[in-house]
Amino acid sequence: DGGITQSPKYLFRKEGQNVTLSCEQNLNHDAMYWYRQDPGQGLRLIYYSQIVNDFQKGDIAEGYSVSREKKESFPLTVTSAQKNPTAFYLCASTGQPNQPQHFGDGTRLSIL
Amino acid sequence: RKEVEQDPGPFNVPEGATVAFNCTYSNSASQSFFWYRQDCRKEPKLLMSVYSSGNEDGRFTAQLNRASQYISLLIRDSKLSDSATYLCVVNMNTGNQFYFGTGTSLTVIP
Repeated sequence: DGGITQSPKYLFRKEGQNVTLSCEQNLNHDAMYWYRQDPGQGLRLIYYSQIVNDFQKGDIAEGYSVSREKKESFPLTVTSAQKNPTAFYLCASTGQPNQPQHFGDGTRLSIL
Repeated sequence: RKEVEQDPGPFNVPEGATVAFNCTYSNSASQSFFWYRQDCRKEPKLLMSVYSSGNEDGRFTAQLNRASQYISLLIRDSKLSDSATYLCVVNMNTGNQFYFGTGTSLTVIP
């Protein structure tokens, strides 16, 4: 089945630690996105990538970093500079313009 | 001003009722419009794409009004399983960015 796979489903971070969230898609989509969702709130864009080896900051990029070395993969690193990382992280991808986004089933990150 | 605005609700309706949600968007250059459904602690799932002529899928009808810059979602004969948060999403092809409303919460009551 084609889709987006995020891992892990749950992740715990210690103070001062960097953690990396995985996002892989086999939909052959060019564009990939990372969002953060806090309880009772909407999705906020962290980073997005339209093509391999290129990515742009979203609205809340501070404390996060990404890479896009392969079309299928768009990992997100939550660095120690992100002081409030507890949230639900969603990865999405889209193909042709005017097409909707497809989402992975998310990673819940908490602070230990 | 937010790119996309929705009434957060909550909407509490009895089974069998008809309920409608509106969503307004600020950028007239917006090209694509979607409704997603999000269950508690789950990822958003595409409910409908919204076409300029309006479209219907079973009990769900979506409409677009470009002149007034809003889209709507109508749910007829509400089921308990329709209880969820409904997200309005707007895409401007430039930069292929998507803008999300904060969602409208629906609870269907027996």
